[in-house]
Amino acid sequence: GEDVEQSLFLSVREGDSSVINCTYTDSSSTYLYWYKQEPGAGLQLLTYIFSNMDMKQDQRLTVLLNKKDKHLSLRIADTQTGDSAIYFCAESFSGGYQKVTFGIGTKLQVIP
Amino acid sequence: EAGVTQFPSHSVIEKGQTVTLRCDPISGHDNLYWYRRVMGKEIKFLLHFVKESKQDESGMPNNRFLAERTGGTYSTLKVQPAELEDSGVYFCASSQDWASSDTQYFGPGTRLTVL
Repeated sequence: GEDVEQSLFLSVREGDSSVINCTYTDSSSTYLYWYKQEPGAGLQLLTYIFSNMDMKQDQRLTVLLNKKDKHLSLRIADTQTGDSAIYFCAESFSGGYQKVTFGIGTKLQVIP
Repeated sequence: EAGVTQFPSHSVIEKGQTVTLRCDPISGHDNLYWYRRVMGKEIKFLLHFVKESKQDESGMPNNRFLAERTGGTYSTLKVQPAELEDSGVYFCASSQDWASSDTQYFGPGTRLTVL
């Protein structure tokens, strides 16, 4: 079945690292995504990782994938107040059909 | 290049009324998707167009929802008659190629409130 779970809320101090965790149930997922939604804005794709990768780094963002445990994490280094947003973990399947299944979203609050 | 646009940004209607949401995908994108987020819940898939054809409408909640994409460009999602539980944010997304692993680009969403 399709199910993506993530915690609802995370609070960190500015300058610290943030780690947002996610678990998914469907092992056939090929693409795993992190989307960001700032207040009043749409969903912005932050990064994605293929299921055959363990890690992907992009500037301050590091994505780790543990396929065995179906666990995905997003680490934001040197978290800034502008990083305050809702972060959605999401997955989609192979075969060209790109329906995306989302988690409920983790609200990240950065304290100055 | 313009992103995915949605209109209106907000809509407040009364139960029993009709509302039509519009989505303009990125130019040249064959795939168009509708999603919905009901407050406090996950963003859920509604349906997927490839050009003007409905590829998958398995997420449509019931027959009060009608989506169209005449000419394979913009799409409309009509809710008739609207019910209280239809309130939420409706997102549209588009992607370029059917066979590739292309990412979906999302619009800002339409916030629908049914009173």
